[in-house]
Amino acid sequence: GENVEQHPSTLSVQEGDSAVIKCTYSDSASNYFPWYKQELGKGPQLIIDIRSNVGEKKDQRIAVTLNKTAKHFSLHITETQPEDSAVYFCAASTGGYQKVTFGIGTKLQVIP
Amino acid sequence: GAVVSQHPSRVICKSGTSVKIECRSLDFQATTMFWYRQFPKQSLMLMATSNEGSKATYEQGVEKDKFLINHASLTLSTLTVTSAHPEDSSFYICSASPGQGTGDTQYFGPGTRLTVL
Repeated sequence: GENVEQHPSTLSVQEGDSAVIKCTYSDSASNYFPWYKQELGKGPQLIIDIRSNVGEKKDQRIAVTLNKTAKHFSLHITETQPEDSAVYFCAASTGGYQKVTFGIGTKLQVIP
Repeated sequence: GAVVSQHPSRVICKSGTSVKIECRSLDFQATTMFWYRQFPKQSLMLMATSNEGSKATYEQGVEKDKFLINHASLTLSTLTVTSAHPEDSSFYICSASPGQGTGDTQYFGPGTRLTVL
């Protein structure tokens, strides 16, 4: 089955700096890669996703890149703000109602 | 956007009792819903895939007789933890897909915190 590795497990940045979280996946059939933000005591919230036919996607301060050859994808958050502090999960799926496999999560702390 | 709700948000029960958790898609129909379990400071672990009108598909190691799943309609799936024990205490989260496009974008509910005394 699919295996998703994520790092770092914790990340502290100064407010205004950028944060980068990296993930790798094992199943070459995976073609859908969502990123979720989870705040304490809440369910994960989809923040951005990318499909295998796209190399990069951006939404305001958040961007995701995908390298299918190397089987890795990354989340980039620019101009970080304290409210960005949360746990971020990357995930991979083969799509079409198939299950999503999650990474272990990255706890991001933005220091004011 | 797509909204998924869960009820209750928190439940405390005595050991040996059964607890039912509801997952609803509020503004879309969901043929498929997923149930996850999350321990503190850990990732989400898929328990089972809930299919409307048919039996759920359980992940390896998940006891289907202990975690009963019913997906009676296109907007409601329920997870019943039978004869709950303290080790079942966890954060249970469901997800559902609106089914547009490739049908793989999943939206999560707010989760249910189960504490078994």
